[in-house]
Amino acid sequence: EPEVTQTPSHQVTQMGQEVILRCVPISNHLYFYWYRQILGQKVEFLVSFYNNEISEKSEIFDDQFSVERPDGSNFTLKIRSTKLEDSAMYFCASTPAHQETQYFGPGTRLLVL
Amino acid sequence: DQQVKQNSPSLSVQEGRISILNCDYTNSMFDYFLWYKKYPAEGPTFLISISSIKDKNEDGRFTVFLNKSAKHLSLHIVPSQPGDSAVYFCAASWRSSNTGKLIFGQGTTLQVKP
Repeated sequence: EPEVTQTPSHQVTQMGQEVILRCVPISNHLYFYWYRQILGQKVEFLVSFYNNEISEKSEIFDDQFSVERPDGSNFTLKIRSTKLEDSAMYFCASTPAHQETQYFGPGTRLLVL
Repeated sequence: DQQVKQNSPSLSVQEGRISILNCDYTNSMFDYFLWYKKYPAEGPTFLISISSIKDKNEDGRFTVFLNKSAKHLSLHIVPSQPGDSAVYFCAASWRSSNTGKLIFGQGTTLQVKP
C-alpha cells in the first residue's frame, strides 16, 4: 500500500541553523501539507501546497519557513534560522483531491538546542 | 483557538467492551470530520470519516456518529481490543476552505486492558 515517507526521522540542530525536512507524498496525490505537534499539544496546521504554490499558511508559518516541491516526488519544509520553540514533531500529509482523506507520514522529530 | 475539543484526555476500557471517544466542535462551517489513531513515534493513521450530510458511518468495528445540532461527534469501537490502545484524534475541515486543512482536537489516549 502506498505511503507517505519522511526523512530524517530525527534531527538535532543548534539554534539559528537551517534545517530541511523532506517528504515523499503518495505518487498520485495533488495536495500536500505540513503539520506540527509540539510535545503535549495538539497537531496544528502549518501550510498547504497545491499546483506548485502555497494555497494557505497558518500564523506559525512566518518568513523563517518555506516549502518547495523541487521535483515530481519530494516536498520539503525549510526552516531558515531555527528557534528553540521550533522543537516539535513535523508531519507531512498528502491527499489526491480537495477534502479527501489526508494520509500522514511517520514524522520528523526536530530538536533545537 | 479551541475549534475542536476532546475533553477527555484518557479513557480506559476492558477488552471486548465498547470504547466511546467524544469530540465537540464550535465552528458551524465544519462539514467533514475524521478520526485518526496515533501510536508513539508514528504519524496519525486514518480510521474513519463522516460528511455533515450523514449522521452515522460504520466501518467494521468502528462507527462514527455526528450530531450537528449539538456540534458533537463520537467514535465507537466495538469490541475493543488491546491493539486499539493508542491516542485518538478528532479532526475537522470545511468545503469552503480552498485547502482542506484539518483542525485537530487535543487527542484522547485509549487504553484497552486485556
